[in-house]
Amino acid sequence: RKEVEQDPGPFNVPEGATVAFNCTYSNSASQSFFWYRQDCRKEPKLLMSVYSSGNEDGRFTAQLNRASQYISLLIRDSKLSDSATYLCVSRNTGTASKLTFGTGTRLQVTL
Amino acid sequence: DAGVIQSPRHEVTEMGQEVTLRCKPISGHDYLFWYRQTMMRGLELLIYFNNNVPIDDSGMPEDRFSAKMPNASFSTLKIQPSEPRDSAVYFCASSLVTGHQETQYFGPGTRLLVL
Repeated sequence: RKEVEQDPGPFNVPEGATVAFNCTYSNSASQSFFWYRQDCRKEPKLLMSVYSSGNEDGRFTAQLNRASQYISLLIRDSKLSDSATYLCVSRNTGTASKLTFGTGTRLQVTL
Repeated sequence: DAGVIQSPRHEVTEMGQEVTLRCKPISGHDYLFWYRQTMMRGLELLIYFNNNVPIDDSGMPEDRFSAKMPNASFSTLKIQPSEPRDSAVYFCASSLVTGHQETQYFGPGTRLLVL
């Protein structure tokens, strides 16, 4: 079983829709979580960190549920430019800087 | 500011040949990472360095892979001999840890095809 699991998608949504991605992690020692975005044939880039209390950045909202070992990303009012692969990432206690990536969820926003 | 620089951007080689991938991290960053990305396995950490010292190489697939960081501004990942199953995109990333904050910045990657 992979340490970080995601639905690979693709999620095909119309412009303006709200879409949510989920991610589960298996290592209870996981301490910090992030969402990275990767455009086609490009490198991953940090989208946002995920805090226990939940956090919002514009149209993007991230949530963490430690009891269920579950992370989510909500995108409101989807734009064509949101089309990308979204990678769920964990970092474990005691392994400073070592990140574990999910295989990603692909989002395609259409007209 | 220049980001992480990788070279070459593309490499096509024949099985059995030596391949050397190069990385220049962001100036001032104290961590450097090498990742490999394939469709089947996603993004996998191969090895990472802190202040030029290898910290964890448990992700290096086998002895054919080696990585060095002779100074703070340069690292190499070498595959010798290369095999078709090594075909992947290899990313280098760097980061600076300040308190509890850290963001890894990725280079553009090297697309490797081993025939």
